[in-house]
Amino acid sequence: AQKVTQAQTEISVVEKEDVTLDCVYETRDTTYYLFWYKQPPSGELVFLIRRNSFDEQNEISGRYSWNFQKSTSSFNFTITASQVVDSAVYFCALRGGNNRKLIWGLGTSLAVNP
Amino acid sequence: NAGVTQTPKFQVLKTGQSMTLQCAQDMNHEYMSWYRQDPGMGLRLIHYSVGAGITDQGEVPNGYNVSRSTTEDFPLRLLSAAPSQTSVYFCASMGSPGQSLEQYFGPGTRLTVT
Repeated sequence: AQKVTQAQTEISVVEKEDVTLDCVYETRDTTYYLFWYKQPPSGELVFLIRRNSFDEQNEISGRYSWNFQKSTSSFNFTITASQVVDSAVYFCALRGGNNRKLIWGLGTSLAVNP
Repeated sequence: NAGVTQTPKFQVLKTGQSMTLQCAQDMNHEYMSWYRQDPGMGLRLIHYSVGAGITDQGEVPNGYNVSRSTTEDFPLRLLSAAPSQTSVYFCASMGSPGQSLEQYFGPGTRLTVT
C-alpha cells in the first residue's frame, strides 16, 4: 500500500524564522515520484517540485530547499527566512511507478506571522 | 496556454438539483482527474480519465458521473445534489510520461448544497 504522512497539521512561526515541513512516505514501488504543492489562502494548488526516486540529490530554489532521503522514506521541505507570503497549506504527494494517481498527505498549514 | 480552466467558480444548489462542473485543458494532456477537498481530509479522488473515452472511479465516486468525449474536456456531473457534496472541487490534468509527471490544477469550484 502507498501512503503519505504529514505529521504536522499546523505550524506557526514568526517572520524570518526557518521552518521545516515533514513528509514521510510508504511505497513498494522501486520507481516513484514525490511532489510538493502549495495552496495559498486564495485557494489554488500550485506545483512546487517533483523528485524522482532515483535522484536523491537535494534541491534548493531561492529560500526553498528539499531534502530527499530514501533511507528514512522522507522528503522534507525547508523554508529559510520565512515570509508572510509563505503562509499557506503545503501538500506532499506520491506517485508510484506507472500509476498516474497521486497519493496525498493531509497537508500542513503554515502561518508566518509578522 | 490557459492551462486548466474550471467553471463556475462558485455555485449554490438545493438538495436534489443536478448540475455539471466544467473542466477544460489546452495542454493536450492524456490524464485528467477530479478531486474534492474538505477540511481535514485533504484531496480525495472522485473520478479520473487516462484518455478520451476512458474513465474510471477514484476513492469517492458515489453521486458523481463523468465522461470524456474529447481530450480537452472532462465534465463532472452531480446527479442529485446532497449537503454532503458541499466541498471545493478541483480538476487536474497531467501529460504522458514523456510529457510531464506532475499534475496541474484548475482554480477550483466552491459548491454549497443547501
